[in-house]
Amino acid sequence: GQNIDQPTEMTATEGAIVQINCTYQTSGFNGLFWYQQHAGEAPTFLSYNVLDGLEEKGRFSSFLSRSKGYSYLLLKELQMKDSASYLCAVRDSNYQLIWGAGTKLIIKP
Amino acid sequence: IAGITQAPTSQILAAGRRMTLRCTQDMRHNAMYWYRQDLGLGLRLIHYSNTAGTTGKGEVPDGYSVSRANTDDFPLTLASAVPSQTSVYFCASSDSAGGATDTQYFGPGTRLTVL
Repeated sequence: GQNIDQPTEMTATEGAIVQINCTYQTSGFNGLFWYQQHAGEAPTFLSYNVLDGLEEKGRFSSFLSRSKGYSYLLLKELQMKDSASYLCAVRDSNYQLIWGAGTKLIIKP
Repeated sequence: IAGITQAPTSQILAAGRRMTLRCTQDMRHNAMYWYRQDLGLGLRLIHYSNTAGTTGKGEVPDGYSVSRANTDDFPLTLASAVPSQTSVYFCASSDSAGGATDTQYFGPGTRLTVL
């Protein structure tokens, strides 16, 4: 079967750095996406990785290791508005997105 | 309209009733998708359409049907609602199905409760 694993919940302090991990087992791999979802709102696109390595976009970075079936999202200089769920999704061999259940990130002052 | 719109925002429905959730996008995207999101589970694909005139079944299609008569609209119909269909429904669209940087953009969602 296909599986995406993420921690259910994480807590971090405002101004700090947090790393959210995602491991996957899918039938084929055609890219990995990270989305942010605030409570009661729609998911919004954060980042895309298809090759191994780090993609940096402002305070957010995403890393991929295809051989390990592993990715992480790194958030720097945390702000209260970063409190949200972070969804990891892998595009499989059929070009469909397989979604993790999401990681709820709680930011404390 | 800017992006993707969904209607209604929320709905309470009696079991056995028929319901159509509407989705419209103005980005001229080829592909559209319907997902349901339940607490503790990832988004699950119900149906998708790679281009106008074609549709396909996702992971959880039973009890749902879709049509894609044109590029902009992708309605989802529950023929006879059951309580297990209580969920938040998201419509999404992307520029092309299978493109290297194909990114899905989501509508605001419909919160459906079936009693």
